[in-house]
This record gives sequence, C-alpha cells and structure tokens, in this order.
Amino acid sequence: DIQMTQSPSTLSASVGDRVTITCRASQSISTWLAWYQQKPGKAPKLLIYKASSLESGVPSRFGGSGSGTEFTLTISSLQPDDFATYYCQQYNTYFVTFGGGTKVEIK
Amino acid sequence: EVQLVQSGAEVKKPGDSLKISCQGSGYIFNSYYIAWVRQMPGKGLEWMGIIYPGDSDAIYNPSFQGQVTISAGKSISTAYLQWSSLKASDTAIYYCARAELLTSGSYFFDYWGQGALVTVSS
Repeated sequence: DIQMTQSPSTLSASVGDRVTITCRASQSISTWLAWYQQKPGKAPKLLIYKASSLESGVPSRFGGSGSGTEFTLTISSLQPDDFATYYCQQYNTYFVTFGGGTKVEIK
Repeated sequence: EVQLVQSGAEVKKPGDSLKISCQGSGYIFNSYYIAWVRQMPGKGLEWMGIIYPGDSDAIYNPSFQGQVTISAGKSISTAYLQWSSLKASDTAIYYCARAELLTSGSYFFDYWGQGALVTVSS
C-alpha cells in the first residue's frame, strides 16, 4: 500500500497567516490526491481533489498543488473557521490511504 | 441535496454482534460507491472497504478483511457495516462516505455521513 506522510503534525498560526501543509507519498500518485478538513466531532469535508481542483463551495483561500510524490495545501489567509485538522488522501489505487493529519491550532 | 444519514451510537460488549447503517438520499444511490472509514479515538482516518450498491460488489482493506462485512440494500438506499464478534479494539467512530469510480480506478469521498460511535466495553 502507498504510505502518505503529512507535515507538520501540528501547526500554530494566527488569523491572517499564510499556512502550508505538506503531504508526501511513498510512490508516485500522479495528481490523484484529495484534501479534507475535519473539525472536532464532525465528519471530514472534501476541500480539494485531483491535487488542485477546488470542491464546489470551498473558499478560494484554499489551494492545492503538487504532483508525483509531493503535495501542498495552502490557506492564503487563515480565518477563524479554518482551525481544524487536515488530511490528505491518495487515490492512485483502489486501496486508498490517508495521511496522519495536520492539526492547525490558534497561536 | 445529497445526504448520508447513519444509525446512532452503540454501546456493546465484547463478543456481541452489530450492524450499523448508512442511508443515502438526494442522488441515485445505486450509481455511486459507499465506503466505510474508521477513526479510532484521537487518531486518523482508515479506509475499511467499499461497496457498489448496484451489484453489491465489495472490496476490503486487507486489515479489515474477515473482521467486518459490508453489504447494501439497494431498494432502500442503505449500506451496512457489520461485525459478528466485537472486540474492545473496535471502539471507534465509523463514517460512511460516497465515492465515484474514477479513471485512476480509485475514488475520493465527496459526501460523508455524520459518523456512528461504537463503544465496546465489558
């Protein structure tokens, strides 16, 4: 199976900051990568698919990039509603796998 | 509006059986896959398996093969996850999620159920 490694595991930031989260795959997955946001007690929510395509209704401050084995999720200006845990997920094979998560905390 | 509504929280004893459900609405249920995802307390997301309700064909994560059964009742737009003998280590939140098979032969999850907390304790 393909291993997904996210960094950092925790990130402290302030409202208005530019935030970048990295996700690395153990082998090339082309651009078959999704990002999700999960808030405490809630289900994950799809933000981005195919590495850089924004899901309908997701604010444009969220952006994704990368291909092959290295990917990034960027929040251009962190808002109070963005404090949450973020997961990447590869879907290069039917055996999908998630990264370990990055918790974005208030600084 | 697409919705996946899961059955409620369960408290069970080790060795008990359990079947939890996920009912879809607002879309053609039989045309999309339904996956199950586990989240153990304070941990990340793990894909357990996926089913195509149109033909009830299910694929499992090898880590969960033989431990759970995924099924679907297409006439009632509902998918199921069941255990025949629960263990304390099955304590987790279980999410169902909708997926569409892509050209990669795989899928991501565009809609999720609200989650069902399963607690297994003696």
